[in-house]
Amino acid sequence: GAVVSQHPSWVICKSGTSVKIECRSLDFQATTMFWYRQFPKQSLMLMATSNEGSKATYEQGVEKDKFLINHASLTLSTLTVTSAHPEDSSFYICSARGTSGRTEFFGPGTRLTVL
Amino acid sequence: GENVEQHPSTLSVQEGDSAVIKCTYSDSASNYFPWYKQELGKRPQLIIDIRSNVGEKKDQRIAVTLNKTAKHFSLHITETQPEDSAVYFCAASKAAGNKLTFGGGTRVLVKP
Repeated sequence: GAVVSQHPSWVICKSGTSVKIECRSLDFQATTMFWYRQFPKQSLMLMATSNEGSKATYEQGVEKDKFLINHASLTLSTLTVTSAHPEDSSFYICSARGTSGRTEFFGPGTRLTVL
Repeated sequence: GENVEQHPSTLSVQEGDSAVIKCTYSDSASNYFPWYKQELGKRPQLIIDIRSNVGEKKDQRIAVTLNKTAKHFSLHITETQPEDSAVYFCAASKAAGNKLTFGGGTRVLVKP
């Protein structure tokens, strides 16, 4: 199956700092990438949809100026959490969808802890 | 927008028994329904999916059924094994390229 990587796998940062998370499709071209947030024992909540070369589409209630998304190539999307606060601590997961199908392949996730 | 409800939230079964998880969706335009399995701290893994032109699909011990009229779909796991213990999520989406809407998840525990 298709492989999606995510980096870093975990990060601890101080309140007020920014954190960048990378999502890469390793063996296919991802025209669309999705960013999710998952709190403990909860479902995946879609934050935004990212299409290569265009602006991301954010879900209602997600601050686009706080969660910056860049999808500069068909294999890479980045999520930057700006001015992180403890309430931003969560498991952030990306997924990627190729040109040929509708299946989403998920990255391994990034656990963000903001002190 | 689409709303997906999933039941039960937790399910405990004895090894060898069957497990059934049910999901309902609200948008009749939805036509793609994947199921994901997520182990603790890991990524969701697609285990089976079904499209609206099919009523049932089976892959070894896993099967999914879809009732478009009632707008519900179910996951069936037969002969459960301890390694089936995980959280299972259903999801729904409309036309190709559309986002997935996930159910709340079912925590399945298979007791040896």
